Amino acid sequence: GDSVTQTEGLVTLTEGLPVMLNCTYQTIYSNPFLFWYVHYLNESPRLLLKSSTDNKRTEHQGFHATLHKSSSSFHLQKSSAQLSDSALYYCALSGRGSALGRLHFGAGTQLIVIP
Amino acid sequence: NSKVIQTPRYLVKGQGQKAKMRCIPEKGHPVVFWYQQNKNNEFKFLINFQNQEVLQQIDMTEKRFSAECPSNSPCSLEIQSSEAGDSALYLCASSLAGGEEQYFGPGTRLTVL
Repeated sequence: GDSVTQTEGLVTLTEGLPVMLNCTYQTIYSNPFLFWYVHYLNESPRLLLKSSTDNKRTEHQGFHATLHKSSSSFHLQKSSAQLSDSALYYCALSGRGSALGRLHFGAGTQLIVIP
Repeated sequence: NSKVIQTPRYLVKGQGQKAKMRCIPEKGHPVVFWYQQNKNNEFKFLINFQNQEVLQQIDMTEKRFSAECPSNSPCSLEIQSSEAGDSALYLCASSLAGGEEQYFGPGTRLTVL
């Protein structure tokens, strides 16, 4: 089956330090679509990054991730954490072109950035 | 920014009562999903539709929930007989096609007393 693993439930960082949130996956799909969603309290979960291209870096709002099919990973990184980055981050997987299209979510990582 | 609309934002029910929530997907999005986010912040897929047809649903949804996406009306998710364990945030999402990125609404927070 399909599953996503986020190893860190909680990450606490000091402002200005680099961010790395881990995401690995298992899938039956030969062409999976990987996503990072960010969820702020009392707001809608919002798409942060997406990729289905192997070994290509994708960037948005200072965050970046590279899909590595060889290691089934899609880690989220940012060079310098900001206080406003404090939120829940979810890695998710779908089968691109899958008629069913449901997202398989990881358990989420709560990122807390402190001054 | 997502334009998925969910109502109500908050819902409080007693055990055994029906709980109904609604979702208006983004305009032009034929695929609609319902997820449950529990108190541990874990997402559980419940059901999805393409236009008015159910694509996939989990066993729990099949037994205790009813859901529909009629044409020209909001989609809805209804728990027939609420249980304490149903207390969660229910998120609706829509997409242009299966497997593509999904756009989420703000959710309906259900509390079952």
